[in-house]
Amino acid sequence: GAGVSQSPSNKVTEKGKDVELRCDPISGHTALYWYRQSLGQGLEFLIYFQGNSAPDKSGLPSDRFSAERTGGSVSTLTIQRTQQEDSAVYLCASSFEGVGQPQHFGDGTRLSIL
Amino acid sequence: AQSVTQLDSQVPVFEEAPVELRCNYSSSVSVYLFWYVQYPNQGLQLLLKYLSGSTLVKGINGFEAEFNKSQTSFHLRKPSVHISDTAEYFCAVNVYNTDKLIFGTGTRLQVFP
Repeated sequence: GAGVSQSPSNKVTEKGKDVELRCDPISGHTALYWYRQSLGQGLEFLIYFQGNSAPDKSGLPSDRFSAERTGGSVSTLTIQRTQQEDSAVYLCASSFEGVGQPQHFGDGTRLSIL
Repeated sequence: AQSVTQLDSQVPVFEEAPVELRCNYSSSVSVYLFWYVQYPNQGLQLLLKYLSGSTLVKGINGFEAEFNKSQTSFHLRKPSVHISDTAEYFCAVNVYNTDKLIFGTGTRLQVFP
């Protein structure tokens, strides 16, 4: 079956521009997560969705970062006024609801800010 | 605060040799533990997980891990590695009653012929 799909796979943009990253989770998975992977910082949790609501946004690094999820399915992570330190691989994961459920990851979006 | 420590950033090993990748966690409450593998330009793939029960957990690709509560460890082992096992390995903890994974910094396993 289809796994977690992320688009684009690569994104290069200029500093100051806004970017949108998309995640299409595995069908039936109600939980959705965004993580960021960067050199020196490792894998960092950004935000968690349960259905369309986000009970845990504690990992979003600044108010330039936002995310939404519609229809309990696709999620979009938006970064406004991008900075060079936003360069990283953004990974999306989905799972069935419940702590301890294994999270299934997409291949990520590699974001490069020039 | 919970944390995960992977002491070895890189582990070089020859093909068919055994390997152990170390993981220690810090938490005062019950945890669920995971090992993920990441191949170049790919996302993370679940290798194995510990939720409860037997402390020896078997996963895919011949890997296994042992949960040791007294030492707060969850080391990953394989008795004989292949070239194809070359990848980055991440240990992660999912603290009871929370949702997010807290990852270690990863261990790069390099298997040489």
